[in-house]
Amino acid sequence: EAGVVQSPRYKIIEKKQPVAFWCNPISGHNTLYWYRQNLGQGPELLIRYENEEAVDDSQLPKDRFSAERLKGVDSTLKIQPAELGDSAVYLCASSSGKQGRGEQYFGPGTRLTVT
Amino acid sequence: GENVEQHPSTLSVQEGDSAVIKCTYSDSASNYFPWYKQELGKRPQLIIDIRSNVGEKKDQRIAVTLNKTAKHFSLHITETQPEDSAVYFCAATTSGTYKYIFGTGTRLKVLA
Repeated sequence: EAGVVQSPRYKIIEKKQPVAFWCNPISGHNTLYWYRQNLGQGPELLIRYENEEAVDDSQLPKDRFSAERLKGVDSTLKIQPAELGDSAVYLCASSSGKQGRGEQYFGPGTRLTVT
Repeated sequence: GENVEQHPSTLSVQEGDSAVIKCTYSDSASNYFPWYKQELGKRPQLIIDIRSNVGEKKDQRIAVTLNKTAKHFSLHITETQPEDSAVYFCAATTSGTYKYIFGTGTRLKVLA
């Protein structure tokens, strides 16, 4: 079974430029998460989807960040415009979301550097 | 809001010794507690988890204990090896919400 797939793995952009990250979750996992992980810190939730519905986006900076999961499978996270403080690893994760289960599996992440 | 505190932030042990990492959670409704290992530059990997209906779970050299009354849970690694060196994160969530709150991580160094 393939794991969570993310691309690109690395991205370097100048501030004020847009950037997008893509995630393909584990097949059959209806719950998808986007996290931001700063160096030396734990993952911080940005947004969580149940199928195509964003059920928790309270931590997403909505002035510059947006996300979508149109068909309830793949997801895209966008930043426009990027700021220096956005430099971090962006992790996607998925879980089956079934009652009593819900182990979460992470993708390899996208390391974003904003210069 | 929900919070998970993790201690210590760094831990150095001699190879063969045991390591213990502790976490405390704030949301009494939390009922699922996974532990992740993250090696440098790699993704967090689930290594063990525990649900609120049990007090202890063991998998070879790794064990996790849960004290629901005190709202804390711990990771125990016995007979540590150099390849155990990594950052370990605890997390807490409530089944049905699937919102994970992560601890700040513990950097474990196993000295050969």
